[in-house]
Amino acid sequence: AQTVTQSQPEMSVQEAETVTLSCTYDTSESDYYLFWYKQPPSRQMILVIRQEAYKQQNATENRFSVNFQKAAKSFSLKISDSQLGDAAMYFCAYRSPNSNYQLIWGAGTKLIIKP
Amino acid sequence: DAGVIQSPRHEVTEMGQEVTLRCKPISGHDYLFWYRQTMMRGLELLIYFNNNVPIDDSGMPEDRFSAKMPNASFSTLKIQPSEPRDSAVYFCASSVAGVPDTQYFGPGTRLTVL
Repeated sequence: AQTVTQSQPEMSVQEAETVTLSCTYDTSESDYYLFWYKQPPSRQMILVIRQEAYKQQNATENRFSVNFQKAAKSFSLKISDSQLGDAAMYFCAYRSPNSNYQLIWGAGTKLIIKP
Repeated sequence: DAGVIQSPRHEVTEMGQEVTLRCKPISGHDYLFWYRQTMMRGLELLIYFNNNVPIDDSGMPEDRFSAKMPNASFSTLKIQPSEPRDSAVYFCASSVAGVPDTQYFGPGTRLTVL
């Protein structure tokens, strides 16, 4: 069975600096999808970025980018120019193409932005 | 689009009472998911539907929990009777079939059972 591990329960970063959140996963599949979701204090889960395993290029969305290392089964999220509004819980998630769209979730990392 | 709509946003009830949570998915989405989030257990998938049909309810904790989707625009999650350990935030999410899919979450319902 697939698993997702986020080893950093909490991270903090100075405003305007860069921070990287780690995520590793375990799977025997060669094709799959990976996601980062953000959950601010409002509680709503918001999709930040997604990556398809068959694509070599790392996904990027404005200040958010991923470092996808397929061989190492690593999927880290880099946030550049951190802003106060980035403060939230960040969840990494995995989806198998054979899973009927179920997501497997990591435990989350709490990101604190220091002004 | 209004996004996924959940009601109520907060619910406080007493042990033994029936609780009904409601969800309206995004129009055109054919998958609907119910999740529960607690500090201890994180985010747990309870049940999901495809085209209004329950596909996998293995995450439903026990028979006190039931979920229905009578049509494409409405779903309910019912707890009867409720217990204090059911206190959590319950999320509904929807998605449309395709590659890659993305689940869009509602704002959640915070349930407190006294």
